[in-house]
Amino acid sequence: DGGITQSPKYLFRKEGQNVTLSCEQNLNHDAMYWYRQDPGQGLRLIYYSQIVNDFQKGDIAEGYSVSREKKESFPLTVTSAQKNPTAFYLCASRPRHPTRSYNEQFFGPGTRLTVL
Amino acid sequence: DAKTTQPTSMDCAEGRAANLPCNHSTISGNEYVYWYRQIHSQGPQYIIHGLKNNETNEMASLIITEDRKSSTLILPHATLRDTAVYYCIVRSGATNKLIFGTGTLLAVQP
Repeated sequence: DGGITQSPKYLFRKEGQNVTLSCEQNLNHDAMYWYRQDPGQGLRLIYYSQIVNDFQKGDIAEGYSVSREKKESFPLTVTSAQKNPTAFYLCASRPRHPTRSYNEQFFGPGTRLTVL
Repeated sequence: DAKTTQPTSMDCAEGRAANLPCNHSTISGNEYVYWYRQIHSQGPQYIIHGLKNNETNEMASLIITEDRKSSTLILPHATLRDTAVYYCIVRSGATNKLIFGTGTLLAVQP
């Protein structure tokens, strides 16, 4: 089945440790996005990538890093510099070229990160 | 990027139409209005989008006012599974970024 996978669904880490969240898609989409959601809030954009080997900071990039070495994968690292890392993290992808679903972002199921 | 304003919550009876309003008074001419919904602890799901004309698909209808300063999402026959947070979003034309607000929690009552 085509889709976006994020694993694991729940992740626990000790304060001060870096942690990498995975995001994989087999939809052949060019653009990929990382969002953060806090309780009762909307999504906020962390980083996005419109093409392989290129990415841009979103609105809240501090304390995070990404890479885009493959079209299918866009891992997010939450570093120890992120002051409040506990949150629900969502990955999304979007096709780059005009198609019926050109403007639609497809979201993964999310990873809930808890830093103890 | 234009901001949107939505009511915090709404109730709707099962089987009735749910009409969710959104204000986007600062929208610019080339910005689209998007609607997504998020069921608790899941990723958001795309519903519909439009620029000027009213739009309809298998999930919902989108009514955009002539001045484009507001829009209404209509779920014609709400079911219990439509209970979710509904986000009205104006998409940045330059970056394709989606700017999510806090949305409207729609509670469909049996």
